[in-house]
Amino acid sequence: AQSVTQLDSQVPVFEEAPVELRCNYSSSVSVYLFWYVQYPNQGLQLLLKYLSGSTLVKGINGFEAEFNKSQTSFHLRKPSVHISDTAEYFCAVKKANAGGTSYGKLTFGQGTILTVHP
Amino acid sequence: AAGVIQSPRHLIKEKRETATLKCYPIPRHDTVYWYQQGPGQDPQFLISFYEKMQSDKGSIPDRFSAQQFSDYHSELNMSSLELGDSALYFCASSRPFQGSFPDTQYFGPGTRLTVL
Repeated sequence: AQSVTQLDSQVPVFEEAPVELRCNYSSSVSVYLFWYVQYPNQGLQLLLKYLSGSTLVKGINGFEAEFNKSQTSFHLRKPSVHISDTAEYFCAVKKANAGGTSYGKLTFGQGTILTVHP
Repeated sequence: AAGVIQSPRHLIKEKRETATLKCYPIPRHDTVYWYQQGPGQDPQFLISFYEKMQSDKGSIPDRFSAQQFSDYHSELNMSSLELGDSALYFCASSRPFQGSFPDTQYFGPGTRLTVL
């Protein structure tokens, strides 16, 4: 089974400051990694995903994440945050099926609430 | 672009009542997933369907059942509702497998179920 740990439940930062949201995972098999964002009273929106290849992945809204296999981490970063980035961020993993099938559940971390202050 | 549609968006029920949540996937998406997100919790996988067949099952109570219809929409039926069933229920869909990697799950806005 897979598990995801988001090391910070809340991260307060000031506008235009850099931010890093930490995510570690545990799995006995290869996984795919995702970051989703959830704005208040809304659904989950994909920020970025790592499937293979370059370990540095760029996503929407200026976010990026780096996959580190040896440390089993997939930390999310943004060099300069905006007030509009205030939301809850979820790291998720999905088992990499050997057959490459499309279906497969996501296992989420506990979420990190990012609050950007003016 | 079309998104995943869920209805209703809000639902209030009494204990022991039944509820039906509906999910309409993005056109040409053949896989549907259901997740439950309790207050202050991360989303938990309930069940998924691929080409109208159950493909995976998570922590779904026996009181709940679901199916995917010929038009690929899905319904989650919940009976004998309990206070603890109050949560945000998400549906996600993904398109047919192409290539070597899985496709992204696109989430709907969720149905907020409140059990009184």
